[in-house]
Amino acid sequence: QVQLVESGGGLVKPGGSLRLSCVASGFTFADYYMTWIRQAPGKGLEWVSDISSSSTYINYADSVEGRFTISRANAKNSLYLQMHSLRVEDTAVYYCARMRLQWEPFDFWGQGTLVTVSS
Amino acid sequence: HSALTQPASVSGSPGQSITISCTGTSSDIGNYNYVSWYQQHPGKAPKLMIHDVSKRPSGVSYRFSGSKSGNTASLTISGLQAEDEAVYYCSSYTSSSTSVFGTGTRVTVL
Repeated sequence: QVQLVESGGGLVKPGGSLRLSCVASGFTFADYYMTWIRQAPGKGLEWVSDISSSSTYINYADSVEGRFTISRANAKNSLYLQMHSLRVEDTAVYYCARMRLQWEPFDFWGQGTLVTVSS
Repeated sequence: HSALTQPASVSGSPGQSITISCTGTSSDIGNYNYVSWYQQHPGKAPKLMIHDVSKRPSGVSYRFSGSKSGNTASLTISGLQAEDEAVYYCSSYTSSSTSVFGTGTRVTVL
């Protein structure tokens, strides 16, 4: 069955860095766009970034542009989010999700990993 | 793109129908039929309920339906059941080649 498992979350100080990973199984990872979506505690969903199946096309939300980098390794069925210059407002559960194409729905989500930015 | 606007809460009795609105702009909902709806129970990941405005994924109850008019999309839940109590988010593709979510609506079954 389809599985997306995020890892790499934790507690980091403001200005610090963290790298999130998402390992996929149960489907042909290389056929899908992938995305990161976050949810601050008690708040709504916020789209963060997406990457095309071959890494050709990448997009970021304005709130993370220049600080976060999305990447993928299809041979390892893995998606990554490198986060630098972290701010308190980046505190959230980070979900990875898949979609067939950029405009298509997020049809399967992982369970999320919590990132806490605090001094 | 600013978040799409949803009512904070909607409630209904078992068996009733409720409708959740999702208002955007001509740069997102108004320009694309790529509107999706997600259901999120506490502590769980969101689940896709409706895509492409009105299409139901396999396994989603027929009680869930979607529509769109202009810059506003809507999700209707008919025959409301206790298990439908959750937070619902709309989402749309945008003219900036990004995605935007709604502010979320908490559905309460009275």
